[in-house]
Amino acid sequence: QSVLTQPPSVSGAPGQGVTISCTGSRSNLGANSDVHWYQHLPGSVPKLLIFNNINRPSGVPDRFSASKSGTAASLVITGLQPEDEADYFCQSYDTGLSGSVFGGGTKLTV
Amino acid sequence: QVQLQESGPGQVKPSETLSLTCTVSGASIGTYYWSWIRQAPGEGLEWIGTSHSTESANYNVSLKSRVIMSVDTSNNQFSLKMTSLTTADTAVYYCVRGGQRSWFDPWGQGTLVTVSS
Repeated sequence: QSVLTQPPSVSGAPGQGVTISCTGSRSNLGANSDVHWYQHLPGSVPKLLIFNNINRPSGVPDRFSASKSGTAASLVITGLQPEDEADYFCQSYDTGLSGSVFGGGTKLTV
Repeated sequence: QVQLQESGPGQVKPSETLSLTCTVSGASIGTYYWSWIRQAPGEGLEWIGTSHSTESANYNVSLKSRVIMSVDTSNNQFSLKMTSLTTADTAVYYCVRGGQRSWFDPWGQGTLVTVSS
């Protein structure tokens, strides 16, 4: 069982939007640890999508945005495109475990 | 452009030791933290540990007794050793830039390690 909780799957029609949640606890997100998001396309390598809660690396479309509040974080994808079909993972630092932790991943179907 | 490439055996027998090396290009290995992450078939991502050229490594508490990581600045490489392997250690192993308190980017291509007799 993952330390960070994500829904196993979400889906949306092309052009629509979806939100992927990431729920933590007082020892990670609630301890002011930053949240980072990754996109893992089938047959490819995980790619950094969002770092430090809200920041997009260069090259990531602004259709991808994220937020964090307390022990929860969210990734929002608007204007869904077929190529957005992938697994999405959240990641943070857990003070109790003294290590990095991931969510179980959310499979997005477009 | 920073690139990472894992190398090591694709198959290891149960109870044996896995040794993986990550070769870094485009960045000086002494400047950053470097980590290993794995993904078992059908499972999520699992942080294994983080190493640095001048600091002690940090490991996932669940793997700490079986893992050693090191950094080789002369060859711009870092490595992972995992002992007493079981079939549960079958996974794609990724080397990445970043430490346990930050994000991971970029990622190596990943190497599939199968633990089987």
